[in-house]
Amino acid sequence: DVKVTQSSRYLVKRTGEKVFLECVQDMDHENMFWYRQDPGLGLRLIYFSYDVKMKEKGDIPEGYSVSREKKERFSLILESASTNQTSMYLCASRPKWAGEQYFGPGTRLTVT
Amino acid sequence: KQEVTQIPAALSVPEGENLVLNCSFTDSAIYNLQWFRQDPGKGLTSLLLIQSSQREQTSGRLNASLDKSSGRSTLYIAASQPGDSATYLCAVRRGSRLTFGEGTQLTVNP
Repeated sequence: DVKVTQSSRYLVKRTGEKVFLECVQDMDHENMFWYRQDPGLGLRLIYFSYDVKMKEKGDIPEGYSVSREKKERFSLILESASTNQTSMYLCASRPKWAGEQYFGPGTRLTVT
Repeated sequence: KQEVTQIPAALSVPEGENLVLNCSFTDSAIYNLQWFRQDPGKGLTSLLLIQSSQREQTSGRLNASLDKSSGRSTLYIAASQPGDSATYLCAVRRGSRLTFGEGTQLTVNP
């Protein structure tokens, strides 16, 4: 069974804090993704990575950065959390060429 | 820019009914299409993947079809059960990215 895990299910942070969201996959997938999901806006891609140390901006990268030092781990960083970053954050992974994309359970982040 | 539309936005049916969820996309140059299920507050679970060269895929009570030329896919659920209640999303892949529809919220009433 493919497994994508995320470090926290629920997180509450204060405005201005630096926030780290961690994602780990156990299927040796090359591609990893970070999305946020908001009512009425659907799923939006923040960043993705196609290899270790490689990253590409998605549709809404502003206010976020990412790190991929190991193949199995992809981190999303909120440099200075703001209330408009309150959202559900979803990590996903996928093999390099063909195949299904698998999602983690999500992290519900609240910034107060 | 690829756009994905799912109709209806919400659907409520009695248990045992067969039903069809629709997905349409504007750019037919896709690599594949994937159907997902999402329970409230949870991540997405992959249901079916259809490659662009395929016409349909089946898994248990689920059957997904793809008509790439017309930009349409359908997800057929046979003999629906209350446990099928969830939001169903379709996503099309072109290049590295998936483009998602907004989903159909399905409620199956006992």
